[in-house]
Amino acid sequence: GAVVSQHPSRVICKSGTSVKIECRSLDFQATTMFWYRQFPKKSLMLMATSNEGSKATYEQGVEKDKFLINHASLTLSTLTVTSAHPEDSSFYICSARAASGRVYNEQFFGPGTRLTVL
Amino acid sequence: GQNIDQPTEMTATEGAIVQINCTYQTSGFNGLFWYQQHAGEAPTFLSYNVLDGLEEKGRFSSFLSRSKGYSYLLLKELQMKDSASYLCAVYTNAGKSTFGDGTTLTVKP
Repeated sequence: GAVVSQHPSRVICKSGTSVKIECRSLDFQATTMFWYRQFPKKSLMLMATSNEGSKATYEQGVEKDKFLINHASLTLSTLTVTSAHPEDSSFYICSARAASGRVYNEQFFGPGTRLTVL
Repeated sequence: GQNIDQPTEMTATEGAIVQINCTYQTSGFNGLFWYQQHAGEAPTFLSYNVLDGLEEKGRFSSFLSRSKGYSYLLLKELQMKDSASYLCAVYTNAGKSTFGDGTTLTVKP
């Protein structure tokens, strides 16, 4: 149980295009999902917290118009990187926190999406 | 703000014991997570400490001292597959986790 999927796992796009990444909790309901990006040999940097049915809360320094987050249901959150540039190339990881019945505050991570912007 | 420190790299021998330390300074502390992350993969949950003391789970144990802002992850009977990055993350009452930069552990034969 407690499986989180991400799609796509890898994406290569041209500079200036937009890319959508999906994060799904497959066997539980997630009231809260988190989006992170990770640079090589660095830890996870929290980008935003999304709660189902409300606007995402972005961390300081993260452009909300650049990284659009939608959490339309208890099992799906999406991150859209708009007008992507090479510096947006990174490993993007989502995590989901269950609504109830799990290890308190435990987050379950998706497998990540490797984005390369040419 | 939050400050989380871990050693960048550690090396140990197969079958040995290794201790990975994590110190933190934060407000609104609720608990501390340890995760394992293999290269190119997502982190996987190892432990969550809320109260002071040692929690043992198989070959892995985690310790927390809230008063000292200190935690460690203890790995026993090291195996080659334990080579990975180990991330400590502080969970606060803001409802989110902040991660340290991780410790890359290399297990040698």
